[in-house]
Amino acid sequence: EAGVAQSPRYKIIEKRQSVAFWCNPISGHATLYWYQQILGQGPKLLIQFQNNGVVDDSQLPKDRFSAERLKGVDSTLKIQPAKLEDSAVYLCASTSPGLARADTQYFGPGTRLTVL
Amino acid sequence: AQSVSQHNHHVILSEAASLELGCNYSYGGTVNLFWYVQYPGQHLQLLLKYFSGDPLVKGIKGFEAEFIKSKFSFNLRKPSVQWSDTAEYFCAVNALDTNAGKSTFGDGTTLTVKP
Repeated sequence: EAGVAQSPRYKIIEKRQSVAFWCNPISGHATLYWYQQILGQGPKLLIQFQNNGVVDDSQLPKDRFSAERLKGVDSTLKIQPAKLEDSAVYLCASTSPGLARADTQYFGPGTRLTVL
Repeated sequence: AQSVSQHNHHVILSEAASLELGCNYSYGGTVNLFWYVQYPGQHLQLLLKYFSGDPLVKGIKGFEAEFIKSKFSFNLRKPSVQWSDTAEYFCAVNALDTNAGKSTFGDGTTLTVKP
């Protein structure tokens, strides 16, 4: 079974530039998550999708971050414009159950973003 | 909102030493609990999970964790660590009464095992 795919693996940009990350979850997984992991901290949920609908985006800085999952499969996360404090690893994860259940999340390799 | 606290940020042990990593959460309702591990250069992956039943759960590579509801704790243990256990360990909690699929993670514990 193929795992969660993410690209790019690394990205270096200057502040005020834009950047986009892509994620392809495990086939059949209805729930997709984007996390931000700052060095020395645990993953922090940015947005959770169930199929192509948003379940939780309460911690997404909506003035600069946006995400979509148009066909309920792959997803993109965009930052526009980037700030220095956005430097982090952006993780994508997926899981199969619906909202009423918790289960193992499967993580991709992450995208390491450096904002200069 | 729930939160997760991992008391030890960095633990250094010699091979064959026993390990216990602390995890406490703040949430009064029903929870599911997880330990994830990230080995150097690899993805985050599941180590073990607790959903219900026996509060002592066993995971891969000889790890186990005990859920103590009265203490809001889910500590990870291993009787004898190996050099290959060097990794970062994350505790996570899902609050089933709200969004069951949402995990809140602790800040992780880095374990270094000296050969």
